[in-house]
Amino acid sequence: TQLLEQSPQFLSIQEGENLTVYCNSSSVFSSLQWYRQEPGEGPVLLVTVVTGGEVKKLKRLTFQFGDARKDSSLHITAAQTGDTGLYLCARGAGSYQLTFGKGTKLSVIP
Amino acid sequence: DTAVSQTPKYLVTQMGNDKSIKCEQNLGHDTMYWYKQDSKKFLKIMFSYNNKELIINETVPNRFSPKSPDKAHLNLHINSLELGDSAVYFCASSQENPGAYGYTFGSGTRLTVV
Repeated sequence: TQLLEQSPQFLSIQEGENLTVYCNSSSVFSSLQWYRQEPGEGPVLLVTVVTGGEVKKLKRLTFQFGDARKDSSLHITAAQTGDTGLYLCARGAGSYQLTFGKGTKLSVIP
Repeated sequence: DTAVSQTPKYLVTQMGNDKSIKCEQNLGHDTMYWYKQDSKKFLKIMFSYNNKELIINETVPNRFSPKSPDKAHLNLHINSLELGDSAVYFCASSQENPGAYGYTFGSGTRLTVV
């Protein structure tokens, strides 16, 4: 099994601060996805990155795919309470499956 | 219209009972999945169906039996429930190659076995 390691496991910050969370593997990904899961809901796809070195922006969220396609980061600028949730990275594992990391639980305190 | 809908949202039942969870998607996707999310929030695949055919059956006790009457529906029946079955169960759907297109998840069914 090709594991995805996410760090940190937990993160608690004040509103307005910046933060970065990471997703790493010893294997090369063909693509990588980030999801956000809010309490009581299912994960929602934020972005898919496919090219080494790729950077994608979604409002205050910046996603980066490592040059070697073995790691990815998610940076949030000026965090808001609405950013609170569980952030999961996932990679394809064959044609009919995604494998997920264990997630980073983010709490943004007002 | 909800894209992937699961029912019920909450299910509390006694050990030894049999229960079912239903899932429907209106996205026209060919592939549907069941995942289990444990208390540490780890999502682990249980089953994958493509066009009503079972594709993936991970190491899941045979008390769990999925059924796909058509490609828009994937139900999960659980026999002889055990305490360790308590978790949140998510249904999801995708186009083929979810690594490119991602999943759409339902909102989950929180199963509590007492």
